[in-house]
Amino acid sequence: AQSVTQPDARVTVSEGASLQLRCKYSYSGTPYLFWYVQYPRQGLQLLLKYYSGDPVVQGVNGFEAEFIKSNSSFHLRKASVHWSDSAVYFCAVSAIDVGDNSKLIWGLGTSLVVNP
Amino acid sequence: EAAVTQSPRNKVTVTGGNVTLSCRQTNSHNYMYWYRQDTGHGLRLIHYSYGAGNLQIGDVPDGYKATRTTQEDFFLLLELASPSQTSLYFCASSDLGASQNTLYFGAGTRLSVL
Repeated sequence: AQSVTQPDARVTVSEGASLQLRCKYSYSGTPYLFWYVQYPRQGLQLLLKYYSGDPVVQGVNGFEAEFIKSNSSFHLRKASVHWSDSAVYFCAVSAIDVGDNSKLIWGLGTSLVVNP
Repeated sequence: EAAVTQSPRNKVTVTGGNVTLSCRQTNSHNYMYWYRQDTGHGLRLIHYSYGAGNLQIGDVPDGYKATRTTQEDFFLLLELASPSQTSLYFCASSDLGASQNTLYFGAGTRLSVL
């Protein structure tokens, strides 16, 4: 069965520092991969997605993620965080295996706190 | 930009109460979803639909009914609410299946069952 693991429930960084949020998935093929962000008191918004091609994908607000198939990982990165990046970040993988293109498998989320 | 509107934003009910959560999307998306979000569980899919009159069972459907009355409107019904259904509920829509396409989320409904 497909699964998504975000090993860090909470990450705290200082403003201006670099950031990596980890995501690992289990899937035998090449999945569709997503990062969504949830700002306080809001719904989730898409940050970026990967289907194929260049393994480094660019997203909004300076975020990027790298697909490493050999490691089954899709870590999210940002070179310099801002206090407004404080949010919960969710990694998700497509549920193609179950023959249903309607679903995503979600990680539990990583809460990012950026200290000013 | 796709717009998904949920109502109410907050709801308090008692055990055994009857609750309806509403969701409307204005971009003619085919797929609509109901999720619940709980600490330690992330997002869990309750029900979804790929068109008016269609309903698909999600991963945690027990205690919930849903109905898609039009392309735009998707309702979640809790007919005998229980404290275990206290949660933050999100509606989302996508043009095609979520596995390959962007999901657009509403702002959520916070439900408390006392």
